[in-house]
Amino acid sequence: DSGVTQTPKHLITATGQRVTLRCSPRSGDLSVYWYQQSLDQGLQFLIQYYNGEERAKGNILERFSAQQFPDLHSELNLSSLELGDSALYFCASSEGTGGYTFGSGTRLTVV
Amino acid sequence: AQSVTQPDIHITVSEGASLELRCNYSYGATPYLFWYVQSPGQGLQLLLKYFSGDTLVQGIKGFEAEFKRSQSSFNLRKPSVHWSDAAEYFCAVVRGDSGGYQKVTFGTGTKLQVIP
Repeated sequence: DSGVTQTPKHLITATGQRVTLRCSPRSGDLSVYWYQQSLDQGLQFLIQYYNGEERAKGNILERFSAQQFPDLHSELNLSSLELGDSALYFCASSEGTGGYTFGSGTRLTVV
Repeated sequence: AQSVTQPDIHITVSEGASLELRCNYSYGATPYLFWYVQSPGQGLQLLLKYFSGDTLVQGIKGFEAEFKRSQSSFNLRKPSVHWSDAAEYFCAVVRGDSGGYQKVTFGTGTKLQVIP
């Protein structure tokens, strides 16, 4: 157990739908990062939150949004889902420059 | 801008053989460097990291990496590979600041296959 908890582990949904992925960071970590990993795109940085504030944006689509709550857990919302959104979505947390701790991911399948 | 190159997409080694995975980075200052391993269907696990000091760093699972500034490299090594080492390995370079912001760049990964 890495200390970063992601739920659900698997998600199957239809095109056009909306889903929410949840991440609880490791205790004491203020930063949360979201990544998308697919076979053709590799590991893509989506967005970072630090202590509730958005700090950096990567290749995140407008259909996607995220937030970090006062208890530091984070949610990634994916809407108007397309087949190409099928991927592994990882959350990672960190306390500084010591490197990330990754969760085990949510596997999203859009059918 | 920082970048990371892992020139080998796929490597196959025999069990018991030595391993070296290559990583080259581009960064203006002394970087923070990391190696992660990802087993199929799993998240990334930190193997080792380099911040400063001794250029040879030891990690978990018997891995080590050497920082060579002159070559802008941070290659991962293991003297004797085990079948359980079959996984994908990612090199990463991090730029951080005191405000807690990390700019992390991952390489594209190297898939390691271990044959009997």
